Amino acid sequence: GAGVSQSPSNKVTEKGKDVELRCDPISGHTALYWYRQSLGQGLEFLIYFQGNSAPDKSGLPSDRFSAERTGGSVSTLTIQRTQQEDSAVYLCASSSNSGTEQYFGPGTRLTVT
Amino acid sequence: AQSVAQPEDQVNVAEGNPLTVKCTYSVSGNPYLFWYVQYPNRGLQFLLKYITGDNLVKGSYGFEAEFNKSQTSFHLKKPSALVSDSALYFCAVSPLGGTYKYIFGTGTRLKVLA
Repeated sequence: GAGVSQSPSNKVTEKGKDVELRCDPISGHTALYWYRQSLGQGLEFLIYFQGNSAPDKSGLPSDRFSAERTGGSVSTLTIQRTQQEDSAVYLCASSSNSGTEQYFGPGTRLTVT
Repeated sequence: AQSVAQPEDQVNVAEGNPLTVKCTYSVSGNPYLFWYVQYPNRGLQFLLKYITGDNLVKGSYGFEAEFNKSQTSFHLKKPSALVSDSALYFCAVSPLGGTYKYIFGTGTRLKVLA
């Protein structure tokens, strides 16, 4: 079946602009996660949605970052007023309610110039 | 603070030789443990996991991992390395098990030499 998809695959933006990154999880997966992979910081957790529960936002680095998940499926990560340090690969993952492992999308490479 | 350590940034091994990629963790309780592999410009692919039971778990592509509770380690192993195994490997821990966020190690680049 279809895996996790993310769009766009690459995004170049100017400093100060807002960007939206999209994630389509595997159909039926109740949990959705966003991670950031950068050279200096490795892989870090950003935010986690589980069903209808309030999201765990504990990994968001600043209030410029936000995410929503509509209808328990698609998620959008929004970064406002982008900074150069936001340049990274943003990975989305999903998992089923009964599963234990997460399945990752190919990522969105964000470059802030 | 909870953490996962991969002490080697890079591991080089000759093709056909056994390989080990090390992972230790500092997480309380009984976490779930995972290994993922990342090829260039790709997302992370699941290799294997330890939840409970037998300390030696087998996964995809001939990889296995050994859980050692006393040493809080979960080293990835393969009896005979292939050039195609060359990639970036990540150890991950889910502190509360089940569907929960991961703590990742910093990654180890494996290079298998022909």
